[in-house]
Amino acid sequence: GENVEQHPSTLSVQEGDSAVIKCTYSDSASNYFPWYKQELGKGPQLIIDIRSNVGEKKDQRIAVTLNKTAKHFSLHITETQPEDSAVYFCAASSAGGGADGLTFGKGTHLIIQP
Amino acid sequence: NAGVTQTPKFQVLKTGQSMTLQCAQDMNHEYMSWYRQDPGMGLRLIHYSVGAGITDQGEVPNGYNVSRSTTEDFPLRLLSAAPSQTSVYFCASSYGSGAVGYTFGSGTRLTVV
Repeated sequence: GENVEQHPSTLSVQEGDSAVIKCTYSDSASNYFPWYKQELGKGPQLIIDIRSNVGEKKDQRIAVTLNKTAKHFSLHITETQPEDSAVYFCAASSAGGGADGLTFGKGTHLIIQP
Repeated sequence: NAGVTQTPKFQVLKTGQSMTLQCAQDMNHEYMSWYRQDPGMGLRLIHYSVGAGITDQGEVPNGYNVSRSTTEDFPLRLLSAAPSQTSVYFCASSYGSGAVGYTFGSGTRLTVV
């Protein structure tokens, strides 16, 4: 089955700086890669996703890049703000495959220092 | 439009008791799933459904049963609770296959003593 590794487990950055979280996956059949943000006491919220036929996708201060050859994808947050503090999860799945579920990384606790 | 609604929010069970975690969505999503979240483990898939009457096992299905009699509801049953099932449980639903665009509920925190 799929295995998703996520690094780092904790990331502390100064407000206004950029943050990068990296993930690798093992199954070459995976073709859908979402990122979720989870605030304390809440469920994960989808913030951006990318499909394997796209190398990069941006949404305001958030961007995701995908390298299919190397099987890794990254989340980039620019101009970080206090409200960006949360736990971020990457995930992978085979959209259209027989098994319909996400395999998650173990999460990155992002701390924005004022 | 309430999205994905989970009840209860908190529950304490004694070992051996049974209970059902409820999940309902009002977005007419075909795809629904259950995950458990444990510290340092991320979220792991328990069971999923690709439509009414169709369910399948995920990564950690032992000790849990599901059914999908309607599009809206996807309950998770614990037949005989064990301390190892202490966790936070999340239900999610999606409009498309491959877990595309999954929307998560706010979770049920379950403690088994």
